[in-house]
Amino acid sequence: QSALTQPASVSGSPGQSITISCTGTSRDVGGYNYVSWYQQHPGKAPKLLIYEVSNRPSGISHRFSGSKSGNTASLTISGLQAEDEADYYCNSYRSINGDTLVFGGGTKLTVL
Amino acid sequence: EVQLLESGGGSVQPGGSLRLSCAASGFTFTNYAINWVRQAPGKGLEWVSGINGGGGRTFYPDSAKGRFTISRDNSRNTVYLQVNSLRVEDTAVYFCAKEYSSSSRGSFDIWGQGTMVTVSS
Repeated sequence: QSALTQPASVSGSPGQSITISCTGTSRDVGGYNYVSWYQQHPGKAPKLLIYEVSNRPSGISHRFSGSKSGNTASLTISGLQAEDEADYYCNSYRSINGDTLVFGGGTKLTVL
Repeated sequence: EVQLLESGGGSVQPGGSLRLSCAASGFTFTNYAINWVRQAPGKGLEWVSGINGGGGRTFYPDSAKGRFTISRDNSRNTVYLQVNSLRVEDTAVYFCAKEYSSSSRGSFDIWGQGTMVTVSS
């Protein structure tokens, strides 16, 4: 079951904006609005940043935003801060052999 | 406080079995699906199973079918993951995670701290 495709790494300077892409197919990202994004710091559990493509849970900064175009979803982080340095993962509902979920391979964000 | 607490991890030889537990508190347990997600050392997240709030529907990726069994005891607010015929490549931290809402798919707002499973001879 192939993972969604994310860039292995991205970087940016404090105050800048970066975008992380998450590419799937019409059977997952492109076919449903069930894309989520997570932030994970080393040794910690993941934290939900975005659900259903573009919705932020309570308590998540407005600096984090999500969108989707075709088979590619994107996470944008504006006003980069040092504490944003972490791994970021997308996931999507996938309709293959019933209800399944698939994660992206993860993207390491470095704040320069 | 809403929380999930995993237990049951440990070291096991290839071919062995383990039952992981995920104890929930602080929310109406039967209203939410619970999933298991694992992370091998230095690797990414991998979804391995899910179960709906009532326990009547279970979900697995192809890679987990046949060896992984998810279940829940709503009287104990606990979800279980039985893993059989363990392989070296099953070595990972296993997290349980709660769905954000009854209609969400893959939106996990609450995670446990994880339990480590090491498969080695």
